[in-house]
Amino acid sequence: QAVVTQEPSLTVSPGGTVTLTCGSSTGAVTSGHYPYWFQQKPGQAPRTLIYDTSNKHSWTPARFSGSLLGGKAALTLSGAQPEDEAEYYCLLSYSGARGVFGTGTKVTVL
Amino acid sequence: EVQLVESGGGLVKPGGSLRLSCAASGFTFSSYSMNWVRQAPGKGLEWVSSISSSSSYIYYADSVKGRFTISRDNAKNSLYLQMNSLRAEDTAVYYCARSLSHWGQGTLVTVSS
Repeated sequence: QAVVTQEPSLTVSPGGTVTLTCGSSTGAVTSGHYPYWFQQKPGQAPRTLIYDTSNKHSWTPARFSGSLLGGKAALTLSGAQPEDEAEYYCLLSYSGARGVFGTGTKVTVL
Repeated sequence: EVQLVESGGGLVKPGGSLRLSCAASGFTFSSYSMNWVRQAPGKGLEWVSSISSSSSYIYYADSVKGRFTISRDNAKNSLYLQMNSLRAEDTAVYYCARSLSHWGQGTLVTVSS
């Protein structure tokens, strides 16, 4: 089974910009992996921010964006807010609809 | 409003079985694929299984293949996860999710003697 890796932790200043990445042990991440990004706060269920690389849901704040960057999936937060402090997970799809979550990135807004 | 409500969690002994349910409302259940995702205490998310809208396509994580069975009843707007041969490492909050876009609040499964 593929391993999906993320930065363990990142810190961003309020109003600043941070980019989280999501890499695959099998090689470059492509749109065919249909990358998802999720936000999870303590004690809460995950919330989906991005699907299919860069598509946003109606509830996704405009400051979040998804892309492919240097062979990885990327989530960019521009203009960080205190409420963005959370754990962020990516998910890649393999062999049909088998999903593999990334290891998670803890984002601190400080 | 999309609502997903999981039930059926609880304490079970190693080797035992449990059946989780997910009651869906607020959307046309039969039109969407569904997923089960779990999260062990203090750990990250783990995708468990998915089922297509008509049950034609079913996928499992290697960690549960042969032990867990996903199913759905579109007439009852319900998703299920039959879990057999449970192990301590299956202890987790189990979430159902509609196409990985909408999530329930989860149900806790504890496997312990």
